[in-house]
Amino acid sequence: DAGVTQSPTHLIKTRGQQVTLRCSPKSGHDTVSWYQQALGQGPQFIFQYYEEEERQRGNFPDRFSGHQFPNYSSELNVNALLLGDSALYLCASSKNYEQYFGPGTRLTVT
Amino acid sequence: ELKVEQNPLFLSMQEGKNYTIYCNYSTTSDRLYWYRQDPGKSLESLFVLLSNGAVKQEGRLMASLDTKARLSTLHITAAVHDLSATYFCAVDAGTASKLTFGTGTRLQVTL
Repeated sequence: DAGVTQSPTHLIKTRGQQVTLRCSPKSGHDTVSWYQQALGQGPQFIFQYYEEEERQRGNFPDRFSGHQFPNYSSELNVNALLLGDSALYLCASSKNYEQYFGPGTRLTVT
Repeated sequence: ELKVEQNPLFLSMQEGKNYTIYCNYSTTSDRLYWYRQDPGKSLESLFVLLSNGAVKQEGRLMASLDTKARLSTLHITAAVHDLSATYFCAVDAGTASKLTFGTGTRLQVTL
């Protein structure tokens, strides 16, 4: 049974560009959450998708948007990248209360 | 706004010693999670504590939850080098698995 997968593993972008990160949830899971983890910090909740709708959102600007597809996979889009967006982006999938994290995408903005 | 605090932030301990990491949170919650993170890696789930008084143990790690005191502890028994990592607690504020994480405790076990 494949766990949570994310792509790409690493990404380098320039300020002002746009990026799309992808996540496939664990089999049987219908909820996907995205977190941003800056270096040396704990993960911060970005938003959560369930039944293709954004169900909850953390304190992130509108530059951060997402989507969930009918197969429950999800994308995180970040527009107008800033240096401060450099972080590890983690996707977590869940069905009830337990969340399983993917390996993450390391985004570097130069 | 839910706040989660861990202490200590950094812990250097000798192999064979015992120690406890503390996690305090500011609002009522009945679900608390402990995760381990190795450098550059993702989060590995250690424990999920679902009710007041819950205690779970796995190997040299034992976690407990006191919802009345809004406190969870992660106790390390007879530490070994392989336990060196950063440990996070996270609280589910009851809103469908939105986790609020603590600042993390970086554990370094030395010989």
